[in-house]
Amino acid sequence: GAGVSQSPSNKVTEKGKDVELRCDPISGHTALYWYRQSLGQGLEFLIYFQGNSAPDKSGLPSDRFSAERTGGSVSTLTIQRTQQEDSAVYLCASSPIAGDYNEQFFGPGTRLTVL
Amino acid sequence: DAKTTQPTSMDCAEGRAANLPCNHSTISGNEYVYWYRQIHSQGPQYIIHGLKNNETNEMASLIITEDRKSSTLILPHATLRDTAVYYCIARSGSARQLTFGSGTQLTVLP
Repeated sequence: GAGVSQSPSNKVTEKGKDVELRCDPISGHTALYWYRQSLGQGLEFLIYFQGNSAPDKSGLPSDRFSAERTGGSVSTLTIQRTQQEDSAVYLCASSPIAGDYNEQFFGPGTRLTVL
Repeated sequence: DAKTTQPTSMDCAEGRAANLPCNHSTISGNEYVYWYRQIHSQGPQYIIHGLKNNETNEMASLIITEDRKSSTLILPHATLRDTAVYYCIARSGSARQLTFGSGTQLTVLP
């Protein structure tokens, strides 16, 4: 079956511009996560959605970052007024239920470069 | 998540078993051991997880010591495509987000 997909695969933008990153989770998965990974670094949790519950935004690094999940499926991560330190690979993952002993299925990521 | 310690890198000959160790001496009773890997330029991939008993699936086997302070991931017949960074995580069932450490860079040599 189809896995988690993300678009675009690569995004180059100028400092100060806004960007939108999209994630299509596996159909039927109720939990969706956004992470970022800087070059040579581990995963940094950003935000978590579970069904109709309020999202866990505790990992968002600043108020320039926001995310939505419409209809319990597709999610969009928006970064406003991008900075060079925002350059990273942004990864989306989904899992069937709320992380309880379940594996997370990751997409291929969006590589964001802020010039 | 409990702290985990893994070797920085390992090599393995193609076709041989790759045994990747992980120490998690402070693991608590409700924390599972998870293994993920990340092939270069790809997203992380779940491999296997376990609590106390040894586990096996189509990808790998997981051996957890009786005191649960360490574990070993075994890839029984490593191929070149298994070259990746392997991450060991000790994670409770209520935890949502994953946190990876530095992991082990496994290089499978022809």
